Amino acid sequence: GNSVTQMEGPVTLSEEAFLTINCTYTATGYPSLFWYVQYPGEGLQLLLKATKADDKGSNKGFEATYRKETTSFHLEKGSVQVSDSAVYFCALSSNTNAGKSTFGDGTTLTVKP
Amino acid sequence: GAVVSQHPSWVICKSGTSVKIECRSLDFQATTMFWYRQFPKQSLMLMATSNEGSKATYEQGVEKDKFLINHASLTLSTLTVTSAHPEDSSFYICSARGGTGSRNEQFFGPGTRLTVL
Repeated sequence: GNSVTQMEGPVTLSEEAFLTINCTYTATGYPSLFWYVQYPGEGLQLLLKATKADDKGSNKGFEATYRKETTSFHLEKGSVQVSDSAVYFCALSSNTNAGKSTFGDGTTLTVKP
Repeated sequence: GAVVSQHPSWVICKSGTSVKIECRSLDFQATTMFWYRQFPKQSLMLMATSNEGSKATYEQGVEKDKFLINHASLTLSTLTVTSAHPEDSSFYICSARGGTGSRNEQFFGPGTRLTVL
């Protein structure tokens, strides 16, 4: 079946540091890949997505590239801010699984001033 | 566009009572809605898939008589937690698929925090 493996957290960085959160996946067919962000006490917000190999999703300074050869979708940001502190979830969705999403365990990011 | 709302945002109830949570797609028609449960500091666990006009499909281990799902229209799905107990306390999140996004994209509601005393 489908699965998503995320880098374990928590991750603590200083403001303006470089961020990488690793995500690898296992899936049948050609899944779409997503990164979601969850702030405390809130639901999930879509951060970025990529629907096919070599696509790069980007939003708010975050980027992730769909790498089929390494089955990865690592999240990066060049300079994090305190306001980026949240939980980040990598996920995939595939029509071979009735469109259901499979989520990673989440990575908690704390950015200190 | 593609906004999903949930109501209520939080609820506290006594053990043994039933609680209904609504999930609405505000500006698009959602042919499919998903219900998730999230425990503190954990990932989302899919409970069931709800298709408009048909019975919900429950994931393994989820009691369908305990968690009643009704997808009565293309913009509304409800989750009723029947005879709630403290172990049902959790954060419940719905998502909806449809609208102008890619067919594999889901739009998430803000979640409902249920506390059973």
